[in-house]
Amino acid sequence: EPEVTQTPSHQVTQMGQEVILRCVPISNHLYFYWYRQILGQKVEFLVCFYNNEISEKAEIFDDQFSVERPDGSNFTLKIRSTKLEDSAMYFCASSQDSSYPGSPLHFGNGTRLTVT
Amino acid sequence: AQKITQTQPGMFVQEKEAVTLDCTYDTSDPSYGLFWYKQPSSGEMIFLIYQGSYDQQNATEGRYSLNFQKARKSANLVISASQLGDSAMYFCAMKNRDDKIIFGKGTRLHILP
Repeated sequence: EPEVTQTPSHQVTQMGQEVILRCVPISNHLYFYWYRQILGQKVEFLVCFYNNEISEKAEIFDDQFSVERPDGSNFTLKIRSTKLEDSAMYFCASSQDSSYPGSPLHFGNGTRLTVT
Repeated sequence: AQKITQTQPGMFVQEKEAVTLDCTYDTSDPSYGLFWYKQPSSGEMIFLIYQGSYDQQNATEGRYSLNFQKARKSANLVISASQLGDSAMYFCAMKNRDDKIIFGKGTRLHILP
């Protein structure tokens, strides 16, 4: 069964550094998402990317964050100038379409980001 | 505004018993979808079941069923004949017409042998 893959599984970075989290969504999916989950807490929406542009983003998705689909397969989340509070599990997800009734999101296994 | 509420932070259930995980939602959009996800201790998010707002029948997937009560805006997950492997965090989620799915805070389910 096709799956969403994320790399790396764990990333440690120093405060102020830039990180890039990588994802390969399921190949025939059209909608790509990033979510984050601070340890043991709620799964929080960050951004949706469709048709080569951001279609929806959360208030917290400010200029510190950016997403890109540089080729036909990869989907990346860049975090500039990381802060301690950016430490979380970051999940990539994709869905086939976003129309009603809506396809479920298929999640990757996540990248645990630790900012020291 | 959209909102998902899961009022049970944790539950303990004896193995082989049925369990109901509560979820209520709030939305002004007549078209929406409701989802349940399972997150084991290993951390991955596993899709379990989906219910559309216009679906007439409650969704079922194996041991999982969704008790959808539209007038009460509730979408409870029912797991029949619980197993030790069902111990996990369970998230209820909702999607409206916009391109995001929002999640509740989750319920941690513990199945006791």
